[in-house]
Amino acid sequence: DAKTTQPPSMDCAEGRAANLPCNHSTISGNEYVYWYRQIHSQGPQYIIHGLKNNETNEMASLIITEDRKSSTLILPHATLRDTAVYYCIVSGSGGSNYKLTFGKGTLLTVNP
Amino acid sequence: GAVVSQHPSRVICKSGTSVKIECRSLDFQATTMFWYRQFPKKSLMLMATSNEGSKATYEQGVEKDKFLINHASLTLSTLTVTSAHPEDSSFYICSARKGGADTQYFGPGTRLTVL
Repeated sequence: DAKTTQPPSMDCAEGRAANLPCNHSTISGNEYVYWYRQIHSQGPQYIIHGLKNNETNEMASLIITEDRKSSTLILPHATLRDTAVYYCIVSGSGGSNYKLTFGKGTLLTVNP
Repeated sequence: GAVVSQHPSRVICKSGTSVKIECRSLDFQATTMFWYRQFPKKSLMLMATSNEGSKATYEQGVEKDKFLINHASLTLSTLTVTSAHPEDSSFYICSARKGGADTQYFGPGTRLTVL
């Protein structure tokens, strides 16, 4: 079973920030939060990951709450090409903990 | 970068035949590769994990004799679907993990249709 909870769908206007929430209340100390997205009929694309500090890269920002029980992926200026299913995944480090368990994700639709 | 390719991107075969899918890490060495399957409107399901030079570890319910995995080098893993049947029709996706790092990078997927 996936260890995260995400809303099934969200809408966002083009050019605005998209904030995608994720709950992972059972996350353990050595587990990272990963975000991937999947555009229709393509393989998932890595976006960002973090342990406890907020992270930012050229694609997005990841905000993790202090208790690490939830996080938010922020796409600062959403474009139509950001329409995809976004997956929030918790995964440990080392050995079989490398596994990624995909839930249903959030379908983000960016509208013109 | 971290680019993973798959070949073929799409394959149609007759029932009873075998199909081989290749997964390559193009710009890094992958100590571990993963194979996933995705049915329409469903999420990705992990099938197996393979480490270079050793036998693959299959997830519960995945038949190892039907889905043969070979990871003979640090840049290539293959998945062979043996005696394919229509119910094996699916989107097969591989991922690769850089040595020493945890992030998985995914290939573009292979659409298999068994007639």
